[in-house]
Amino acid sequence: QSALTQPASVSGSPGQSITISCIGTSSDIGGYNYVSWYQQHPGKAPELMIYDVINRPSGISNRFSGSKSGNTASLTISGLQAEDEADYYCSSYRSSGTVVFGGGTKLTVL
Amino acid sequence: QPQLQESGPGLVKSSETLSLTCSVSGGSVSSSTFYWGWVRQPPGKGLEWIGSMYYSGNTYYNPSLKSRVTVSVDTSKNQVSLRVTSVTAADTAVYYCARHYLGIDYFDYWGQGALVTVSS
Repeated sequence: QSALTQPASVSGSPGQSITISCIGTSSDIGGYNYVSWYQQHPGKAPELMIYDVINRPSGISNRFSGSKSGNTASLTISGLQAEDEADYYCSSYRSSGTVVFGGGTKLTVL
Repeated sequence: QPQLQESGPGLVKSSETLSLTCSVSGGSVSSSTFYWGWVRQPPGKGLEWIGSMYYSGNTYYNPSLKSRVTVSVDTSKNQVSLRVTSVTAADTAVYYCARHYLGIDYFDYWGQGALVTVSS
């Protein structure tokens, strides 16, 4: 099954804000609010950052926020910090009981 | 909060079967609303969902892998297992087990991952 579409890379300077997009279809992102975002540092397991489009798990900084418009979900990181440098993946439920991930976005903090 | 730990052979021969076990502590695999899933990541590549199972037996699989994959849950041992048959080099990856809300929503707890290499 085809993955959700994310930019391969984004970058920003400390203190700035960046947004990572995740493009799907009406069968996944556009049709359900089961969008989640994961942060993955090199050699580590992914960590849940956002679930159900806009919700943050306990312990996740409020610098991370999620949104959705139509078939596109977005992750915004404000007040960028060096520790935010990592790979980010979006995920969504897709009709017929499947789950699909995006291809991943590498965030570089300049 | 649950802790997940994958275990199994790190090297599997091509055409054979890959088997991994995920031991869950600090929580029960029989808990309501949570499925138990597997996600893999080939070296240098992105995440791919493999499948998820509820302790009562309900299961979801990635259609592209469904014919070769079995996910099972052993409530007596509090473990989740994965079998992938007829493996090829394309199955070389880090395999993660993760707790999966409703089996269709988010993965909130992950194991540290187990690298499995398929050799010819």
